[in-house]
Amino acid sequence: QSVLTQPPSVSGAPGQRVTISCTGSSSNIGAGYDVHWYQQLPGTAPKLLIYGNSNRPSGVPDRFSGSKSGTSASLAITGLQAEDEADYYCQSYDSSLSGSSVFGGGTKLTVL
Amino acid sequence: QLQLQESGPGLVKPSETLSLTCTVSGGSISSSSYYWGWIRQPPGKGLEWIGSIYYSGSTYYNPSLKSRVTISVDTSKNQFSLKLSSVTAADTAVYYCAGQWLVRWFDPWGQGTLVTVSS
Repeated sequence: QSVLTQPPSVSGAPGQRVTISCTGSSSNIGAGYDVHWYQQLPGTAPKLLIYGNSNRPSGVPDRFSGSKSGTSASLAITGLQAEDEADYYCQSYDSSLSGSSVFGGGTKLTVL
Repeated sequence: QLQLQESGPGLVKPSETLSLTCTVSGGSISSSSYYWGWIRQPPGKGLEWIGSIYYSGSTYYNPSLKSRVTISVDTSKNQFSLKLSSVTAADTAVYYCAGQWLVRWFDPWGQGTLVTVSS
């Protein structure tokens, strides 16, 4: 059971927009800690996609965007492409139990 | 450009200690901006943070693993290491090392190394 809750799977057709939610609590996202997102293509290491809730590292297309509100965060992908099919993880900090970095359980994005 | 590379045995026997090292290149492990972390991923499952260390030796660990985990740093070699004791089959996973910006996001990541716990 992950501290941050993500839907196990989402899907969309090419060109469409999809969102992936990440729900936390008052000891992590709700406490003001920022949320980061990673993309993991099959057989590869995770890659930073969004940091600090809504910032894109250099080289990440602006089709990817992040937002945060209250105890939740979201990753939005517009103009869906076949190459976006991957696993996506959110990550934050949790202040309970002496403090921990925490990941969501991951969401598998399928491009139909 | 910062790069990380994991190294260590790919097979560990049950009840023994798993030991891995991460070598940092393209920058100094003594950077004031980075913690250095270990994350693992069991086959077919999600990511689990294990723990992180600052170049000074300050550490913070996943509470669920804390009793079995030791992370250390060797600034002279630009390396940090993971030891996980009393391993079982449940510890079989791909282990990643990563740079952690000011206890926030993880970037960059090493390529990962598969460690199998089996007799």
